[in-house]
Amino acid sequence: KAGVTQTPRYLIKTRGQQVTLSCSPISGHRSVSWYQQTPGQGLQFLFEYFSETQRNKGNFPGRFSGRQFSNSRSEMNVSTLELGDSALYLCASSTAARGGAYNEQFFGPGTRLTVL
Amino acid sequence: GNSVTQMEGPVTLSEEAFLTINCTYTATGYPSLFWYVQYPGEGLQLLLKATKADDKGSNKGFEATYRKETTSFHLEKGSVQVSDSAVYFCALSISSGGGADGLTFGKGTHLIIQP
Repeated sequence: KAGVTQTPRYLIKTRGQQVTLSCSPISGHRSVSWYQQTPGQGLQFLFEYFSETQRNKGNFPGRFSGRQFSNSRSEMNVSTLELGDSALYLCASSTAARGGAYNEQFFGPGTRLTVL
Repeated sequence: GNSVTQMEGPVTLSEEAFLTINCTYTATGYPSLFWYVQYPGEGLQLLLKATKADDKGSNKGFEATYRKETTSFHLEKGSVQVSDSAVYFCALSISSGGGADGLTFGKGTHLIIQP
């Protein structure tokens, strides 16, 4: 079974631009979560989608948004990029149909975003 | 809120040494606990998990026991190898009865094993 794939792997943008990242979950996984990883803040949860609906959201500004399609693929968008948005953005998929005590997530390799 | 605390390192050990990476947590609820590993240039891989108190997760020679009384989930391995060099993340997830909760991660511990 193919793992979680993320495209592109690397991106360079300038301040003020916007960017869209894509994530394809493992076949059969309907939940997709996004995380931001930076040296200073570590790994932080952005949001989670299930069946095309955002179910849970972390503490990020509205410039960060996402969506999920009927085939469970997900995109996240960052508008008006800031230097501090430079990070590794990780996508994770799960079979979780509802919140539960067991939440095993499978991670993709990430998209490295650099904002100049 | 929820939080996870772990030593950040780097932790440098010689091959075949005993490894302990401490992890403690604060949670508003009854969490599931995880250890993830990140190799250079890769995403995170689940190493082991425990979903209730006194559970022991194990995988690839690594072990961790869910200690509710001390709110800890320390990672151990009896004899490390050079190939274990990576960053290790302790994480928790809370059951809310609603949507799948995001994982709360520690800062990560960079482990370096020298031959």
